[in-house]
Amino acid sequence: NAGVTQTPKFQVLKTGQSMTLQCAQDMNHEYMSWYRQDPGMGLRLIHYSVGAGITDQGEVPNGYNVSRSTTEDFPLRLLSAAPSQTSVYFCASSRQGAIYGYTFGSGTRLTVV
Amino acid sequence: QQQVKQSPQSLIVQKGGISIINCAYENTAFDYFPWYQQFPGKGPALLIAIRPDVSEKKEGRFTISFNKSAKQFSLHIMDSQPGDSATYFCAASMVYSVGNQFYFGTGTSLTVIP
Repeated sequence: NAGVTQTPKFQVLKTGQSMTLQCAQDMNHEYMSWYRQDPGMGLRLIHYSVGAGITDQGEVPNGYNVSRSTTEDFPLRLLSAAPSQTSVYFCASSRQGAIYGYTFGSGTRLTVV
Repeated sequence: QQQVKQSPQSLIVQKGGISIINCAYENTAFDYFPWYQQFPGKGPALLIAIRPDVSEKKEGRFTISFNKSAKQFSLHIMDSQPGDSATYFCAASMVYSVGNQFYFGTGTSLTVIP
């Protein structure tokens, strides 16, 4: 049982490049979310999904796109990377109506130069 | 604005001492208050959580104290150990919210000196 798996663990991008951060969970969780973690800011919600085909914006969605074609996968896309997107990104998942079991991945450290 | 305010930003405690981290919230609709522990290079992991119908919850050396009228809650780590050195985040949510959205504090970096 792998839990929440994020890839890659580290990535360096040039300004303007695009990339996709991958997130997969094998717990059959309905809810999945993406957070970014910045020093002094805590974790801030980017996008979330309550099930396959359903996504919505969080607190800081600008510059990011998501889709949820399957229950297991919830990729985060950066269309045109900017230095302000340098951060550590965490994916998390939980059962519907069961926030007690909120599980985080190990993170992707992204640097945009 | 920051929905959950956390202090202090950093904390240094001697081994065996008590570590105390405080959080405050504004939204009275919040009804679930977890604490997460994060080690370097790892994702946050649930440490302990409380609902507002109780004023205190204890699990081993970790205790949450909750003051509903003051809209404050705190984490107490008794007999702090070097292995407790980590970043701690408080959070708040609504149990029946759509999407299980959490609002996190800014984190406290705890260092326990041997």
